[in-house]
Amino acid sequence: GQQVMQIPQYQHVQEGEDFTTYCNSSTTLSNIQWYKQRPGGHPVFLIQLVKSGEVKKQKRLTFQFGEAKKNSSLHITATQTTDVGTYFCKGGSNYKLTFGKGTLLTVNP
Amino acid sequence: DVKVTQSSRYLVKRTGEKVFLECVQDMDHENMFWYRQDPGLGLRLIYFSYDVKMKEKGDIPEGYSVSREKKERFSLILESASTNQTSMYLCASSQGDRAAYEQYFGPGTRLTVT
Repeated sequence: GQQVMQIPQYQHVQEGEDFTTYCNSSTTLSNIQWYKQRPGGHPVFLIQLVKSGEVKKQKRLTFQFGEAKKNSSLHITATQTTDVGTYFCKGGSNYKLTFGKGTLLTVNP
Repeated sequence: DVKVTQSSRYLVKRTGEKVFLECVQDMDHENMFWYRQDPGLGLRLIYFSYDVKMKEKGDIPEGYSVSREKKERFSLILESASTNQTSMYLCASSQGDRAAYEQYFGPGTRLTVT
């Protein structure tokens, strides 16, 4: 069945450093979504990518969808303490959706 | 704004009890989902529903059942709670094609089974 692997599981950075999390699917995806969950909170939708090779930006966050539509990345430039949380990807195809296990980001001020 | 509410933020139950977790969404969404979230395991899908009275098993349905009698309400039932069902339970809803649209999550219910 469809599997979505997300790495790394944890990442600790100094404030101001960059951060990247990666998602890799065993099957071709029709779309990929990214969510953020703050400590003690619930997942909140960030963005959806649909097209092969698509790149979208939200301020310091850059999201990419691979050419083969089997991988994706989220890159944060110059992290801030407000970026702390767990970032999840969710791959969708053929009515099936699969969440990655998430990357927990901690930021040292 | 879409709002997904869950009946309790915290719940403590005893082993063997029947437990009901309720979820309500106010945006007329077709799809509703129940997940459990455990450290290191991410979000695991228990059940989802794509219409009233319709349901499909997710990845970990054992020990759970669900009910959707009205479009806005989706209930998760633990027939006989066990300690390994201690977890955070998250409800979510989405419109249309379940894989194509964003999911809106409720605040979660932290269930402890003693």
